[in-house]
Amino acid sequence: ELKVEQNPLFLSMQEGKNYTIYCNYSTTSDRLYWYRQDPGKSLESLFVLLSNGAVKQEGRLMASLDTKARLSTLHITAAVHDLSATYFCAVGPLATDKLIFGTGTRLQVFP
Amino acid sequence: DTGVSQDPRHKITKRGQNVTFRCDPISEHNRLYWYRQTLGQGPEFLTYFQNEAQLEKSRLLSDRFSAERPKGSFSTLEIQRTEQGDSAMYLCASSLGVGGLQETQYFGPGTRLLVL
Repeated sequence: ELKVEQNPLFLSMQEGKNYTIYCNYSTTSDRLYWYRQDPGKSLESLFVLLSNGAVKQEGRLMASLDTKARLSTLHITAAVHDLSATYFCAVGPLATDKLIFGTGTRLQVFP
Repeated sequence: DTGVSQDPRHKITKRGQNVTFRCDPISEHNRLYWYRQTLGQGPEFLTYFQNEAQLEKSRLLSDRFSAERPKGSFSTLEIQRTEQGDSAMYLCASSLGVGGLQETQYFGPGTRLLVL
């Protein structure tokens, strides 16, 4: 059974600082997604990573994928308060369309 | 609004009652998924459809849960004889699957169920 682990589970960071969220998964996969969820809201798609070495950037967020290490990272540059949310990585096992989600990283950015 | 929609947004029911939720996917999407999310956890896969065919069900899904997508458009998720442990956010997502290409799953606002 595919397992997806994120760390840290909770991250409190000051505005302007940089930090990285890590997502490890246990078996081979051909796709990885990052989603954002605000309190009481649904999930918003951020990135789709489909190949080894893939890197995508949007604003202050950059995601990368290393399929050999079974690791994805979400890097936050110069954090701002608006980035406060819970971030989930989700992995697609081979030969199925379902997604397996990590437990999420709750990010809080303070002044 | 052309996104995924779900109805109702909130449902409070008594233990033992049946409930039904509806999901309308993005119109051109052929794949539809149901997930369940409890407080502080990531979404957990329940089942998914390609057009009207239900292709996969989670082993965690008890016999009290049933889902349909009769015409390949909207879907319903029914929970019979609800239990307090069924209290959760039920999320629907849709995607456009073309051959083996895996597309992003877009999520609806969810239906929050509380079983008393």
